[in-house]
Amino acid sequence: QKEVEQDPGPLSVPEGAIVSLNCTYSNSAFQYFMWYRQYSRKGPELLMYTYSSGNKEDGRFTAQVDKSSKYISLFIRDSQPSDSATYLCASGSNYQLIWGAGTKLIIKP
Amino acid sequence: NAGVTQTPKFRILKIGQSMTLQCTQDMNHNYMYWYRQDPGMGLKLIYYSVGAGITDKGEVPNGYNVSRSTTEDFPLRLELAAPSQTSVYFCASSYSAGPGASNQPQHFGDGTRLSIL
Repeated sequence: QKEVEQDPGPLSVPEGAIVSLNCTYSNSAFQYFMWYRQYSRKGPELLMYTYSSGNKEDGRFTAQVDKSSKYISLFIRDSQPSDSATYLCASGSNYQLIWGAGTKLIIKP
Repeated sequence: NAGVTQTPKFRILKIGQSMTLQCTQDMNHNYMYWYRQDPGMGLKLIYYSVGAGITDKGEVPNGYNVSRSTTEDFPLRLELAAPSQTSVYFCASSYSAGPGASNQPQHFGDGTRLSIL
């Protein structure tokens, strides 16, 4: 079992839809949870960062962590074509960061 | 502000050749990392450094070497290129005031696309 798992997609939705991206992790010691966005032929860039359980909101983006089920979610409201990218989740402890393989998201105009 | 800069952007090598991938950052970050990214796989850590003169192996270090003589630069060396090293290589940096930086956001360069034929 991979320590951090993501559905690779692609996930294709119409512009304006609410998008839900998800990851699961296996190590209960993980406390830090991040979402990165990666455009084609670019490096990943940090989108959201959360510590422990709970929700965090930033504009159209909401990150959610449920430690009881080891489930990480990223919600995108009012999705735009410019949101089309690969979304990587990462989680870890102070000394270890494990990356998911990424989910490719396509927003259709 | 340049952030993390990687050169070259693309390179084709023959089996057995050597090369150095360059990485420099201008954010005065103490931690630097090298990852490889293969299709359908997550980022795999090759080597990392917690400061000038200090480096350590990551998950997939075989076939690679690094050095860190300055805070800014963290080159990655391939000594005998093999087809299995065909990948996209990313350099990243982060800042941590204490031990353990895996919880700190990392800033990435735009990668070097390397093909070994």
